[in-house]
Amino acid sequence: QVQLQQSGPGLVKPSQTLSLTCAISGDSVSSNSATWNWVRQSPSRGLEWLGRTYYRSKWYNDYAVSVKSRISINPDTSKNQFSLHLNFVTPEDTAVYYCTRATSSDYDFDCWGQGTLVTVSS
Amino acid sequence: SSELTQDPAVSVALGQTVRITCQGDSLRSYYASWYQQKPGQAPLLVIYGKSNRPSGIPDRFSGSSSGNTASLTITGAQAEDEADYYCNSRDSSGSHVVFGGGTKLTVL
Repeated sequence: QVQLQQSGPGLVKPSQTLSLTCAISGDSVSSNSATWNWVRQSPSRGLEWLGRTYYRSKWYNDYAVSVKSRISINPDTSKNQFSLHLNFVTPEDTAVYYCTRATSSDYDFDCWGQGTLVTVSS
Repeated sequence: SSELTQDPAVSVALGQTVRITCQGDSLRSYYASWYQQKPGQAPLLVIYGKSNRPSGIPDRFSGSSSGNTASLTITGAQAEDEADYYCNSRDSSGSHVVFGGGTKLTVL
């Protein structure tokens, strides 16, 4: 049974970096058949896919256009986890952040972390 | 604005059938996946691909597609099906992922 366990701060100051980690159990971040994604949800923006990392003989990343200049998603094979870093945050980045796994296709999110409410406020 | 459009709210009488729709140009090329979300919980995948159900999802949930519209059908809706339902798929470029705005299902 695959489980994703999120960790990271719930409060970030404006202009700083939001950092979250997703620890994987029951699967591998280096899997050749999965992608590892971050999705956020807010009342104003609904569910929003932010990006993914995945391994297909080498590492790849894809990022949503809306955050492409500010985001990085990085795998950590030694700890079997992946992380989200979102720079220069504003109050509009306040949301519940989820890590997810996709396997059947690159958008069938069959496993979700518990969610982390991140508030951007001074 | 989302590239996938859903009706904000739909209601169904207990035991009846309800269809929730999702429209978007990318759906002419890609299937939609469907998620159920209850308050305070993460979304749960209920339909993916042509009409595949993950393990544990009741067979009253089914999916279909025609043209630019994907549909989630619940045949014999139960009280526990009351939730928000979201579709997702690839965007019009085919490179990224997009979600619909969600449909709040009320079971009367």
